Amino acid sequence: KQEVTQIPAALSVPEGENLVLNCSFTDSAIYNLQWFRQDPGKGLTSLLLIQSSQREQTSGRLNASLDKSSGRSTLYIAASQPGDSATYLCAVGAGGTSYGKLTFGQGTILTVHP
Amino acid sequence: EAQVTQNPRYLITVTGKKLTVTCSQNMNHEYMSWYRQDPGLGLRQIYYSMNVEVTDKGDVPEGYKVSRKEKRNFPLILESPSPNQTSLYFCASSLYQGPGSEAFFGQGTRLTVV
Repeated sequence: KQEVTQIPAALSVPEGENLVLNCSFTDSAIYNLQWFRQDPGKGLTSLLLIQSSQREQTSGRLNASLDKSSGRSTLYIAASQPGDSATYLCAVGAGGTSYGKLTFGQGTILTVHP
Repeated sequence: EAQVTQNPRYLITVTGKKLTVTCSQNMNHEYMSWYRQDPGLGLRQIYYSMNVEVTDKGDVPEGYKVSRKEKRNFPLILESPSPNQTSLYFCASSLYQGPGSEAFFGQGTRLTVV
């Protein structure tokens, strides 16, 4: 059974810092990994999708990497801003008997203070 | 605007009173699914649908029903809600089940069963 772990569970940083969020998964038979942002009382917003054949994806100040063989992904946020405060979730997608199910980590709660 | 729309956003109901949470997507996606999010348990898949008239159980299907009569709609039905179904529910869709297919989520429905 796939298990996804995110470290740290919570992170508080001053504005302007570069930071790294970690995600690990136990079964490397995935076909993609997706990073989401969740704001309180709101839905999940997709940030980055990395296919299993890719090593990294970038969008603006965000960079996500994937090392499928070791079961790890990192989300790098450059020059953090108070507006980046949210919960960040990683999810792995798999085919086969998982039929496209996303397995989520518990999330990292990020607070960026001015 | 491409989106997944859920209704209602908030719902308080009594035990045993049937309810339906609607989900609609305007992206012509084939794959749709429902998740529930609970503190300490994260997001778990309830049901999924790979296409019209094709649905199957996810990890926590007990007490729920779904139907997929049209490509764009995927309602979640609680025939006899119980307090343990109090949760935050998300509908998601993706173009297909595969590595390059990004998942999009609705804004969520917060359900309280008393």
